[in-house]
Amino acid sequence: RKEVEQDPGPFNVPEGATVAFNCTYSNSASQSFFWYRQDCRKEPKLLMSVYSSGNEDGRFTAQLNRASQYISLLIRDSKLSDSATYLCVVNNRGNEKLTFGTGTRLTIIP
Amino acid sequence: NAGVTQTPKFRVLKTGQSMTLLCAQDMNHEYMYWYRQDPGMGLRLIHYSVGEGTTAKGEVPDGYNVSRLKKQNFLLGLESAAPSQTSVYFCASSSTGYYGYTFGSGTRLTVV
Repeated sequence: RKEVEQDPGPFNVPEGATVAFNCTYSNSASQSFFWYRQDCRKEPKLLMSVYSSGNEDGRFTAQLNRASQYISLLIRDSKLSDSATYLCVVNNRGNEKLTFGTGTRLTIIP
Repeated sequence: NAGVTQTPKFRVLKTGQSMTLLCAQDMNHEYMYWYRQDPGMGLRLIHYSVGEGTTAKGEVPDGYNVSRLKKQNFLLGLESAAPSQTSVYFCASSSTGYYGYTFGSGTRLTVV
């Protein structure tokens, strides 16, 4: 079983719609969680951290469910510029490295 | 504000040739990482370093060697390139090891 699992998509969503992705992780010792964004043929960039209480950054909302070991990302009022691959990322307690999911590809359709 | 710089950006190698990929960061980060990214496989960690003079194996270290002689530089070497090493290679650095990775723009390597 992969340590971090994501639905690869693609998700094709009309502009203005709301879209949500989930990600599951297998290691109960995971302590830090992030969403990264990767544009086509570019490097990954940190989108947002995910906190236990849930957190929001503009149109983006991230949530963590430790009991079920999953993380979610919600994008409201989607824009064409949101088209990208979204990577779910975890860090395990005492570990000096991040583990990346394979990513979920999102395309916003005009 | 260069951040993380990778050289070269593109390279084509013949099977059996060797090469070194250079990663340089100007943020005084302790932690540096080399990943490869293949379609459907995501980012896989090759080797990493937690400080000058240190290196450690990641998930897919075979066929690669690394060195961190200076804090700002992390070199990835391929001694005898194989077609299976065709990939996009990303270097990253971090001050904490778990937060705020800054990635370089990648090196696209093709081994024929």
